[in-house]
Amino acid sequence: KAGVTQTPRYLIKTRGQQVTLSCSPISGHRSVSWYQQTPGQGLQFLFEYFSETQRNKGNFPGRFSGRQFSNSRSEMNVSTLELGDSALYLCASSSAQGNTEAFFGQGTRLTVV
Amino acid sequence: GENVEQHPSTLSVQEGDSAVIKCTYSDSASNYFPWYKQELGKRPQLIIDIRSNVGEKKDQRIAVTLNKTAKHFSLHITETQPEDSAVYFCAASITDSWGKLQFGAGTQVVVTP
Repeated sequence: KAGVTQTPRYLIKTRGQQVTLSCSPISGHRSVSWYQQTPGQGLQFLFEYFSETQRNKGNFPGRFSGRQFSNSRSEMNVSTLELGDSALYLCASSSAQGNTEAFFGQGTRLTVV
Repeated sequence: GENVEQHPSTLSVQEGDSAVIKCTYSDSASNYFPWYKQELGKRPQLIIDIRSNVGEKKDQRIAVTLNKTAKHFSLHITETQPEDSAVYFCAASITDSWGKLQFGAGTQVVVTP
């Protein structure tokens, strides 16, 4: 069974640009959550999607958005990039049968210069 | 919202000794408490989890205890080995916000031979 796949693995962007990250969950998993990981702030929850609907949202500005497609793949978009957006972005998928294990992808390392 | 505090931030132990990491949470509605291990450059992986209807759970050298009254839970690693060296994260979530994990800041565990 393939794990959670995130693309791309690395990205370098300039301030003011926008970026789209992709996450393909484990087959059969319908819930996808996104997290931002930085040395100073740890792992912070961005949002969670289930059946193409955003169910939960963290405390991030509106520049951070996401969506989920009918095949459960999810994308995250960050507009008007700031230096502080440099981080490892992780997605996690779950089977959505109650509080079950969240499986993480390898992450996308975003560097904003 | 939920706040999870984790201590200590770093933990150095001799191989064969035990390691204990403690977390406290603020939302009494939290009912799911996973622990993740993240090795350098790798994705977080679930090592053990506990639900609010259980006080203790063990899996070989790893155990987790939960005190709902005091709102804290702990990870215990016995007979530590060098491969236990990693960053460990505790997390909490509630049924109504299923899919949203609130993480502690992490504990860097170093096991010296």
